Amino acid sequence: AQSVTQPDIHITVSEGASLELRCNYSYGATPYLFWYVQSPGQGLQLLLKYFSGDTLVQGIKGFEAEFKRSQSSFNLRKPSVHWSDAAEYFCAVVTGAGGTSYGKLTFGQGTILTVHP
Amino acid sequence: GAVVSQHPSRVICKSGTSVKIECRSLDFQATTMFWYRQFPKKSLMLMATSNEGSKATYEQGVEKDKFLINHASLTLSTLTVTSAHPEDSSFYICSARDPRSGRTDTQYFGPGTRLTVL
Repeated sequence: AQSVTQPDIHITVSEGASLELRCNYSYGATPYLFWYVQSPGQGLQLLLKYFSGDTLVQGIKGFEAEFKRSQSSFNLRKPSVHWSDAAEYFCAVVTGAGGTSYGKLTFGQGTILTVHP
Repeated sequence: GAVVSQHPSRVICKSGTSVKIECRSLDFQATTMFWYRQFPKKSLMLMATSNEGSKATYEQGVEKDKFLINHASLTLSTLTVTSAHPEDSSFYICSARDPRSGRTDTQYFGPGTRLTVL
């Protein structure tokens, strides 16, 4: 069965510092991978997605992620963090990608990002 | 981009009553919508897949008679929590699969509904 692991439950960085949030997946076929961000009490906003092609994916708000098949990873990065980036970040993989019309998402446990001034 | 709305954003009800939550895709037609439940400090748990014009598909352990899902049109799915109890208090989030995303099966999420059962 597919699974997604986000090893870091909580990360704290200083404003202006670089950021990397880790995500590892377990999935037999080529995965469709996503990063979502959730502010407190809000729904999820799509940051970026990977499904094929260039393994370095650019997203909104200055985020990027790199798909590394050999490491089964899809880490999220940002070169300079802003205070408004403080939120919870979820990595997810679609199951049955390309093969079904359901496309169920399997989420990681989430990583809470705290940004210090 | 794709926009999904939910209504209400927050609801408080008495134990034993039923609550209906609406999920709408505003700028696209969604044949498939999803309902999730999120506990405090936890990830999202998929409850069911809602398909327009047919019965919803529930995940294992989710009570069909408790959580009624109706997807009557291509832009609206509703979740009704029947005979709500305090343990049903949670954050409910819907998503809609954007058919324009093709093979990537991209889901766009609503803002969520905070349900509190007294």
